[in-house]
Amino acid sequence: DVKVTQSSRYLVKRTGEKVFLECVQDMDHENMFWYRQDPGLGLRLIYFSYDVKMKEKGDIPEGYSVSREKKERFSLILESASTNQTSMYLCASSRAGASGANVLTFGAGSRLTVL
Amino acid sequence: GEDVEQSLFLSVREGDSSVINCTYTDSSSTYLYWYKQEPGAGLQLLTYIFSNMDMKQDQRLTVLLNKKDKHLSLRIADTQTGDSAIYFCAESPRSGSARQLTFGSGTQLTVLP
Repeated sequence: DVKVTQSSRYLVKRTGEKVFLECVQDMDHENMFWYRQDPGLGLRLIYFSYDVKMKEKGDIPEGYSVSREKKERFSLILESASTNQTSMYLCASSRAGASGANVLTFGAGSRLTVL
Repeated sequence: GEDVEQSLFLSVREGDSSVINCTYTDSSSTYLYWYKQEPGAGLQLLTYIFSNMDMKQDQRLTVLLNKKDKHLSLRIADTQTGDSAIYFCAESPRSGSARQLTFGSGTQLTVLP
């Protein structure tokens, strides 16, 4: 069963702490994404990566960074967590292609609370 | 930029049909998608439709696309309590773009017994 695995389902951190959210996919997908999900706002793209060591900013990259050292792993880093980063974080991956639907496979999510 | 809009809530009785609506602004959209999110889980692809199609049917699901009005709908026939979830509409601005999908805010479907 192919999957996207997010290592932490629930985290509680304090303001100013450094936070790492890890995501691993076993589908050999080229593209990986980090979204945050907030009620009434849907999914907003933070960063995405289309290849190892490549990254591009999404719609809301401020306060976040990412790392993709291996094809299967995409990490989201909050250098100094703030209370407004309390949210559900969703990782996704997809296969690269010249045409066709861009079908994302999502992880189960990581719910982060910053106190 | 691209915008996708959905109503936030919908309630239906078990056994009735549900219709979830979505509007989008990007006329260059090539694919439109419906994802389902069950409580405590990530999003799962339900179905998608290519922009040159008007309708797609898959068992209890029917997707209708009105490209002129930029309107997409998802009809669920014989809605069951297990269909209670958040449904997200999404669009791809152009084919092959890794930049990917623009999502709506999601519609919370509640199925009443």
